[in-house]
Amino acid sequence: AQSVTQLDSQVPVFEEAPVELRCNYSSSVSVYLFWYVQYPNQGLQLLLKYLSGSTLVKGINGFEAEFNKSQTSFHLRKPSVHISDTAEYFCAVSDRIDMRFGAGTRLTVKP
Amino acid sequence: DTGVSQNPRHKITKRGQNVTFRCDPISEHNRLYWYRQTLGQGPEFLTYFQNEAQLEKSRLLSDRFSAERPKGSFSTLEIQRTEQGDSAMYLCATGTSGGNTDTQYFGPGTRLTVL
Repeated sequence: AQSVTQLDSQVPVFEEAPVELRCNYSSSVSVYLFWYVQYPNQGLQLLLKYLSGSTLVKGINGFEAEFNKSQTSFHLRKPSVHISDTAEYFCAVSDRIDMRFGAGTRLTVKP
Repeated sequence: DTGVSQNPRHKITKRGQNVTFRCDPISEHNRLYWYRQTLGQGPEFLTYFQNEAQLEKSRLLSDRFSAERPKGSFSTLEIQRTEQGDSAMYLCATGTSGGNTDTQYFGPGTRLTVL
């Protein structure tokens, strides 16, 4: 079965600074990769996904992620964060049926 | 709002009681998933339906948990004889088996508190 490791449980950053949230996965089969965001007291919202094709994936709210097969990574980046980006971010891997999530990274954007 | 609805949003119950949650999917979605999320953790897969067929169940799902999707539309998750360890957010997600495969759209969740 596949698994996901989010390397940072908390990432504090100042407004307008760049940010990278790290995600590594393991799987014996080819996978799809996802990033979800969860704002306080809300459900999970899809940020972006990698299914195939270009390894650089652009999502909503200015986020992007790069799939690196050799390093089994799918790190999430944003060049300039806003206060409103404060949330919990989850990386997930799917083998087309079963989706596994990481433990989450709490992004806190400070003024 | 993803179009997936869950009811109730909050449920407080006493240990030993039974509870039932409902999930209404996006209408054209034939896949439906249940997850459990505890504080500080990512969602854990519980079970998965394609149409009305329950195709996979996690080993985490004890015999006290049962899920149904009788007509391939809404789904219910029942927990019998609740325990304090069942306290969590229960999430429903839906998707399609064709086209935009593997994208799951999540509902807002049902927060269960077992006293």
